Amino acid sequence: AQTVTQSQPEMSVQEAETVTLSCTYDTSENNYYLFWYKQPPSRQMILVIRQEAYKQQNATENRFSVNFQKAAKSFSLKISDSQLGDTAMYFCAFMTFSGTYKYIFGTGTRLKVLA
Amino acid sequence: DVKVTQSSRYLVKRTGEKVFLECVQDMDHENMFWYRQDPGLGLRLIYFSYDVKMKEKGDIPEGYSVSREKKERFSLILESASTNQTSMYLCASSLRVRPQHFGDGTRLSIL
Repeated sequence: AQTVTQSQPEMSVQEAETVTLSCTYDTSENNYYLFWYKQPPSRQMILVIRQEAYKQQNATENRFSVNFQKAAKSFSLKISDSQLGDTAMYFCAFMTFSGTYKYIFGTGTRLKVLA
Repeated sequence: DVKVTQSSRYLVKRTGEKVFLECVQDMDHENMFWYRQDPGLGLRLIYFSYDVKMKEKGDIPEGYSVSREKKERFSLILESASTNQTSMYLCASSLRVRPQHFGDGTRLSIL
């Protein structure tokens, strides 16, 4: 069975600093997708970044980038130049489709950016 | 811009009641999902649907059912609400293998 593990329940970072959120997963599939979602306090969950497993190049979206290590089954999120608006719960998610869709979310990391 | 609308932000019901949570999306997405979110447990999939009248059980379907009579609408039904179903419920939709779009969530309290 596929699993997604986020080992850091809570983290904090000073404004303008860089922080890395970790995520590991377990699967026997070869084709899958990985996502990071952000859920600000009392607000809607939104997609931060996605990575297709067949792509070797790490995805980047402005201040957000990932370190995708397929062999190690690791998918960490790096936030550069942290801003107060980055304070949120971050969820790592795994998706595959082999006959039926399978979406699995991690338990989340609560990130607080400090002024 | 994709919009996923959940009918209520907050809902209070009593044990034993039949509860309906409604979700509507406006982007013609095939896939729709219902999750519950609990502290320390992340998001757990209750049911999903990949087409009208089609549904599949997720990881925690017990005590729930769903209905998808139209492509844009996906309803979650608590047949006989119990206190352990107090939670945040999130609806999401997606187009094939693309990322999910989420609603604002419904915070459901069962008294």
